Amino acid sequence: QKEVEQNSGPLSVPEGAIASLNCTYSDRGSQSFFWYRQYSGKSPELIMFIYSNGDKEDGRFTAQLNKASQYVSLLIRDSQPSDSATYLCAVNRDSSYKLIFGSGTRLLVRP
Amino acid sequence: DGGITQSPKYLFRKEGQNVTLSCEQNLNHDAMYWYRQDPGQGLRLIYYSQIVNDFQKGDIAEGYSVSREKKESFPLTVTSAQKNPTAFYLCASSIETSGRIANTGELFFGEGSRLTVL
Repeated sequence: QKEVEQNSGPLSVPEGAIASLNCTYSDRGSQSFFWYRQYSGKSPELIMFIYSNGDKEDGRFTAQLNKASQYVSLLIRDSQPSDSATYLCAVNRDSSYKLIFGSGTRLLVRP
Repeated sequence: DGGITQSPKYLFRKEGQNVTLSCEQNLNHDAMYWYRQDPGQGLRLIYYSQIVNDFQKGDIAEGYSVSREKKESFPLTVTSAQKNPTAFYLCASSIETSGRIANTGELFFGEGSRLTVL
């Protein structure tokens, strides 16, 4: 079992729809969770981070964390074609420097 | 502007050759990292360094070596012992705070170096 699992996609949504990206992790002691966006051929950039159970909103993005279910998600409202990218979930499991990345979900937003 | 500079952007290597990827940052960050990304895969940690003259192996350190002689620089050498080196290599840095990634957990990435073995 991978430490951080994501559906590789592609997840295809129409412009203006809500895109829902999901991530599960295996280490119940994981403490902090991150979503990075990576455009093709480019380096990742941080979108959201979340530490506590519940929802965290930032503009069109909402991160949701459920530690009991070991599940973290990213919702993108009013999806735009410019949101088309690969979204990487990352977990900091032991307050160390080591972020464990999932393999990413590719999102396609259709105009 | 502050940032991380990786060079070269593209590199071709013949079998049996060592190559060194450069990573320089002017963000005054203490911690630096090297990740490897294969097509359709996430990032895997090769080496990381919390302070000058100190570094630790990540999950896939075999066939790689690093040095951290200056705070600003963290070069990665891909040795001939690395059997499958073709990949996208990403250098990153973060603010060190008492052994943790800073509260934002933000890694600042360079633009990457794409290595191909001929």
